[in-house]
Parts: sequence; C-alpha cells; structure tokens
Amino acid sequence: DTGVSQDPRHKITKRGQNVTFRCDPISEHNRLYWYRQTLGQGPEFLTYFQNEAQLEKSRLLSDRFSAERPKGSFSTLEIQRTEQGDSAMYLCASSPGLVSYEQYFGPGTRLTVT
Amino acid sequence: LAKTTQPISMDSYEGQEVNITCSHNNIATNDYITWYQQFPSQGPRFIIQGYKTKVTNEVASLFIPADRKSSTLSLPRVSLSDTAVYYCLVGMGYSTLTFGKGTMLLVSP
Repeated sequence: DTGVSQDPRHKITKRGQNVTFRCDPISEHNRLYWYRQTLGQGPEFLTYFQNEAQLEKSRLLSDRFSAERPKGSFSTLEIQRTEQGDSAMYLCASSPGLVSYEQYFGPGTRLTVT
Repeated sequence: LAKTTQPISMDSYEGQEVNITCSHNNIATNDYITWYQQFPSQGPRFIIQGYKTKVTNEVASLFIPADRKSSTLSLPRVSLSDTAVYYCLVGMGYSTLTFGKGTMLLVSP
C-alpha cells in the first residue's frame, strides 16, 4: 500500500502527558498537511509543509503543538501537556505539488485525553 | 475564502440517484469547487473537482451553473457503501482546504 500512513491509530493518554504522532506521506509528494477533526465537524487545518519547510500554521496550533518534517519525508506532530480539549482525530494528508485541492489523507490518529 | 452551505443530512435508497447541492454565493473568479467523501473513522477522499459546466468521472458528476454560485454533486445509483459525509469546498487550489460540516448521506436498503 503506497498511501499515507499514520501511527499510532489510537492513543489514550492522561491529561498533562506529551504525545507524538507520526505521518508517512506518499513518497513523491512534497506537500504535507496536518488537520484536526472533532465529532460532527469537518477537518480543521493545523499546519503544512513544503518539503521540510513549515509554511503555514493555523491559530489553532497553540504553543503546546509542534510539528516537524525533517528531510522532507515523514512528519511528526507533538502535543505537550495534553488537555481534554485535545481529544480529536488528527489527520495527515499529502499532495504532489503546488495545487492543494486534491489531497490524499491518511486514516488518522484518534487521541483520547482522560 | 468563499463560504459554503450544504444540507446537514440526506436520505436515499439503494439504486437511486442522489444530488447534493452546495451554495457558494461569494465564490471568486479563480476558485475551484471540490468535493470530498469521508467514511467513519477514515480520512476524507477526493471525489471530483470542477470550475464550470459539467465534470464527470467514474464516481460522480459535478454540475456547475454559469453563475457558479452553487454546484451539485450527483451520485448515480447509490449503494449502501455510499453512506458517508460529503464535503463541498471552494478555493483557489493554492490555499489550504477549508472543510465545513458536510452533508451526511444515509443510504438505506
């Protein structure tokens, strides 16, 4: 399978703990996106990378959130000092070039903060 | 970004044609119209994209009137597996995607 993969698929953590998610995009795609989705809502944009450069961050991405994409390949999203409001599905997507309306999404990581 | 309005939910039966309309009164000249489909516990999947008139692929058709203030996603002969949330998005394609709440389509036997 050469689609976008995410790991882990599910994560349960206690409030205050740090968590890190990984996304492996489709190999030839140079754009990578992170979204967050809560129940009953559409995905909300968090940030995106063009190769290794982080080009845009949403206001939703508080100081507790950090994303990296070393070497322009896989990406990680870390949440520090998790809060119950961070509980959501975190989706990663990739696209091959400048035009972003056709993005390929991974299955997501469901985070539950207790 | 142009705001979109679509029905919260729709019901259909297997074998019927389903048309989901999206309003985007403030669409800009350079904006494209894109539809995504999302199954439970999965990421969204690109269905179709268009700029004007009609676009058809193996999954759906997209009808866009001349004024481009609305668009209609047409799913021919739906099956139970078409039960999903359908999102209408409007943008230039060089910006990040902005999803609304989408339309929950429920297909019954």
